[in-house]
Amino acid sequence: AQSVAQPEDQVNVAEGNPLTVKCTYSVSGNPYLFWYVQYPNRGLQFLLKYITGDNLVKGSYGFEAEFNKSQTSFHLKKPSALVSDSALYFCAVRDPKYGGATNKLIFGTGTLLAVQP
Amino acid sequence: DTEVTQTPKHLVMGMTNKKSLKCEQHMGHRAMYWYKQKAKKPPELMFVYSYEKLSINESVPSRFSPECPNSSLLNLHLHALQPEDSALYLCASSQEGGWGNQPQHFGDGTRLSIL
Repeated sequence: AQSVAQPEDQVNVAEGNPLTVKCTYSVSGNPYLFWYVQYPNRGLQFLLKYITGDNLVKGSYGFEAEFNKSQTSFHLKKPSALVSDSALYFCAVRDPKYGGATNKLIFGTGTLLAVQP
Repeated sequence: DTEVTQTPKHLVMGMTNKKSLKCEQHMGHRAMYWYKQKAKKPPELMFVYSYEKLSINESVPSRFSPECPNSSLLNLHLHALQPEDSALYLCASSQEGGWGNQPQHFGDGTRLSIL
């Protein structure tokens, strides 16, 4: 079965320090991977995606993610955390069962990032 | 500002009421989605419309009835809901093509409370 795991419910980091939010996946075929962020009382915002090509993907707000096929991981990173980065982060993989215009996502359970000033 | 607009932002209704949620996008996307999200949990897919046709129904109870009148609009009709249906309802849209490599764009949701 296809799945996404985010092993940490919460990540705490001091402002200015690097941050990593972990994600591993299990999917048949080549994975299409996504990171989304959700601020309080808002919808999900797309950060970045990996489809193919360079394993290091750069996205919005200074975030990047590293795709590692052998470890089936897609960890989200940022060199220097900001207090405003505090939010709920979701990793997702496209369900390969569907195609065309239909993009069904399988979400991880989410990781709450708390950046302390 | 999000490019997917959902109305109303908040809705309180009784279990015997009938109400509708509305979603609108003008990005030319041909896939639109309804999700249900409980606090601090991932969104749960409910319905997907592709080119105005229902392509996925995730075994959602019939008290939820989706409608896609045109390529820009998506409605969710609600009737005889239960207290456990209280949640944030999110709409999303995505471009066609690329076999699912396009990201979904989410609205800010309708927060629904069932009394």
